[in-house]
Amino acid sequence: DGGITQSPKYLFRKEGQNVTLSCEQNLNHDAMYWYRQDPGQGLRLIYYSQIVNDFQKGDIAEGYSVSREKKESFPLTVTSAQKNPTAFYLCASSPGQGPGELFFGEGSRLTVL
Amino acid sequence: GENVEQHPSTLSVQEGDSAVIKCTYSDSASNYFPWYKQELGKRPQLIIDIRSNVGEKKDQRIAVTLNKTAKHFSLHITETQPEDSAVYFCAASRSFQKLVFGTGTRLLVSP
Repeated sequence: DGGITQSPKYLFRKEGQNVTLSCEQNLNHDAMYWYRQDPGQGLRLIYYSQIVNDFQKGDIAEGYSVSREKKESFPLTVTSAQKNPTAFYLCASSPGQGPGELFFGEGSRLTVL
Repeated sequence: GENVEQHPSTLSVQEGDSAVIKCTYSDSASNYFPWYKQELGKRPQLIIDIRSNVGEKKDQRIAVTLNKTAKHFSLHITETQPEDSAVYFCAASRSFQKLVFGTGTRLLVSP
């Protein structure tokens, strides 16, 4: 079954802790993205990668880090430097290196206690 | 950078009515404009998109119009049904650039 898999679906973290969200795709897509979704603010881009071993900051990259060591994987680390990390995080991929249809995962909801 | 504004934030209609959601964008070089639908608890999914060389595109009950001069584009849903209830997001981008999303419109279709 092809698609994008995010894990975990729900995650609780204490303040001061780093946490890594997993995103794996078997669609053979070149580009992958991380978005943050907050009520009333739409989808805001955190990081994106158009090719393996390369990634760019999005609009709200502060306090986050990513890696793209494999084409199918694009993990997101939420660091303790992120001041308001409680949110719903969506990973997406697209076939080419330019804009086109985004295929989203089911999301990960992070709650900081 | 690109900025996308979306209105209204909520929209309530009766089943069978039409619904219109409007977006404006700031970057005149943007040339790709998709619309995504997110049902409650589910992932966003593309429902229709349009590129800047086209003024209108239809797919059954949904249509998108683009006015490049005014830098706005709209989603039109005709003969709305309860299953159309969801949050709708517009977005815009240049070629080979990242998508910028609007803030979303919650559409409620009452039977």
